[in-house]
Amino acid sequence: DAGVIQSPRHEVTEMGQEVTLRCKPISGHNSLFWYRQTMMRGLELLIYFNNNVPIDDSGMPEDRFSAKMPNASFSTLKIQPSEPRDSAVYFCASTWDRTNEKLFFGSGTQLSVL
Amino acid sequence: RKEVEQDPGPFNVPEGATVAFNCTYSNSASQSFFWYRQDCRKEPKLLMSVYSSGNEDGRFTAQLNRASQYISLLIRDSKLSDSATYLCVVAGFQKLVFGTGTRLLVSP
Repeated sequence: DAGVIQSPRHEVTEMGQEVTLRCKPISGHNSLFWYRQTMMRGLELLIYFNNNVPIDDSGMPEDRFSAKMPNASFSTLKIQPSEPRDSAVYFCASTWDRTNEKLFFGSGTQLSVL
Repeated sequence: RKEVEQDPGPFNVPEGATVAFNCTYSNSASQSFFWYRQDCRKEPKLLMSVYSSGNEDGRFTAQLNRASQYISLLIRDSKLSDSATYLCVVAGFQKLVFGTGTRLLVSP
C-alpha cells in the first residue's frame, strides 16, 4: 500500500518566492496534518483537517502561510512570500483514527529559503 | 514552559547496554501518550503507546507516572539499529504534541 506521499522532496528557493508543498494522504484516512520540524523547535503542528475541513490552524505562523484540502486525496501548504526563517522540513501526516493518535507521516519536504 | 520536554542527548551507549529516556509533560489533563521513533532524515514512526499500567514490546518498556507527569522508555540489550531519535508524544484535544526528541547512538 502507498503511504503518505509528499512532493517535492527538496525545494530550494529565494526569499520572496512562492512555495507550494503537496501531500496525498493514505486512501481512506480522514484526518490530515501539516507539521514543521526544525532543530530548535522540533515538530510543530501547523494545521489539521478532518474530512477536508480545517479544524485547527492555530499553529500557522502568520498570514504568509495558507493550507487547502480541496478533496480527500490532496492537500497543499503554501508560503507566500517565503523567508529564510521558513527553512525547515515540512511533514504531512494522515490517520483514520478517530482520536488522531496514530499518525502516518510522509517522507517530508526539505525546504531551504536563501 | 514547553508542553513536552525531553533531554536532547545524545545518549552514547555500547551494544547490549540498557538505556532509559524520560520525558515530562505540562498538561495534567493529557490522556494518551506515545513514543515515536525518527531515523536520521526520515519521518517519525509510531514505536509504542504508553499505558498507565506500563507496557512492554520486546526489548522496549514504556512507563507512565501521572502524579509526576512523566513518561519513560527503557531499551534493553541495545542494538546498533536502535540508533535514532526518540520522540515523546502527548495527545491533546484531537492532536499530538511532540517533544523535540532524545538522540540515541549505539556503538559496536
